[in-house]
This record gives sequence, C-alpha cells and structure tokens, in this order.
Amino acid sequence: GENVEQHPSTLSVQEGDSAVIKCTYSDSASNYFPWYKQELGKGPQLIIDIRSNVGEKKDQRIAVTLNKTAKHFSLHITETQPEDSAVYFCAASIQAGNQFYFGTGTSLTVIP
Amino acid sequence: GAVVSQHPSWVICKSGTSVKIECRSLDFQATTMFWYRQFPKQSLMLMATSNEGSKATYEQGVEKDKFLINHASLTLSTLTVTSAHPEDSSFYICSAKTGARQHFGDGTRLSIL
Repeated sequence: GENVEQHPSTLSVQEGDSAVIKCTYSDSASNYFPWYKQELGKGPQLIIDIRSNVGEKKDQRIAVTLNKTAKHFSLHITETQPEDSAVYFCAASIQAGNQFYFGTGTSLTVIP
Repeated sequence: GAVVSQHPSWVICKSGTSVKIECRSLDFQATTMFWYRQFPKQSLMLMATSNEGSKATYEQGVEKDKFLINHASLTLSTLTVTSAHPEDSSFYICSAKTGARQHFGDGTRLSIL
C-alpha cells in the first residue's frame, strides 16, 4: 500500500520568511495530492491540492510542487504570518479511489 | 462552498453510555463520507468509510459493533460509539468526499469519565 512520509515534524520561521514542507510517497499510482491546515481543536482545512498532470500550483502565498519521477511534493508558504501557525498535513490518493494516505504532520510556528 | 458540519463539538459522558455524532454536508451531496480518529499530536487514523445506502467499510482493528455508522442520506452520516469507555476518549473527525476532494468537519472531542 501507499506510504507517505512528511518532513520536518516541526518548523519555526520568522514572520515574513518562507516555509517549506516536504512529503514523499511510494505508490506511483497515486495521482492526487492535497494539503491540509489544522488549527488547534479544529478539523483539517483543505488549503491547496495538485493532480499528477500538473507540476506546480499557486494560490496567493501558497504553492505546491510535484515531482512524479522522484515521488515527492512540497508545500511552500511565502511571506509567512502568525496566523499561518498550525499543523499541516500532506496526503496522497488515487482520484478514483477513496483512501487518503496522510503524512505525519508538520507543526509550523511563525514567530512575530 | 464544500462545508461539512459536525455535531456535537464536545461531549462528556459517563462510562457505559452511547454517544452519537452527526456529520452533515451542508452545500453538497456526498455519496461517501469518512470517519477518522485523531490522538494528540498525531495524524488522522481512518476508522471507516461510510457509503450512502450501504454498510460501512471498517479498517482493520476497528470494532464495527462498537462504532456504528449509518449513512442514510446523501448529506448525513452518523457515528455512534456504543457502551463507551475511557479508552474511547479521543478526537473524532468526519469528512465528506466530493470529486477527488475530502472536506472535513471540525471534529468532536469525546471524553468518557
């Protein structure tokens, strides 16, 4: 089955700096890769996703890149703000299927 | 769009009682919903997949007689924790699928005394 690894587990950055979180996956059949932000006591919120026919996707300060050959994808947050502090989860799945395989999460702290 | 509502957000009850948690997709229909359990500082653990009009599919190690799932309509799935015990205390989160995406509720904090 699919195995998703996520690094780092914790990340602290100064406000205004960039943050990068990386995930690798094992199943070449996976073709859909969402990223979720989870604030304390809340459910995960979808912030961006990418399909395997695309190498990069941007939404304002957030971008995701995908390298299918190397089987890794990354979340990039630019101009970080304190409200970006949260736990971020990556996931991999096959679009036609149901199972999402989640990474172990990255706790991001943005220091004002 | 794609809002999932989960109720209650927090419940405290005595050992031995049953607790029902509701998960509703507010602005879309969801043939498939999911139930997860999350321990502190850990990732989401899939408990079961709920399909409208059919029996839920449970992950290995999840007791189907303890965690009863009903998905009677395209917008509502319920999880009932039967005869709850302190070890069932956890954060339970539902999600609903639309297309390839899963949208999550805000979770239910269950505390069993």
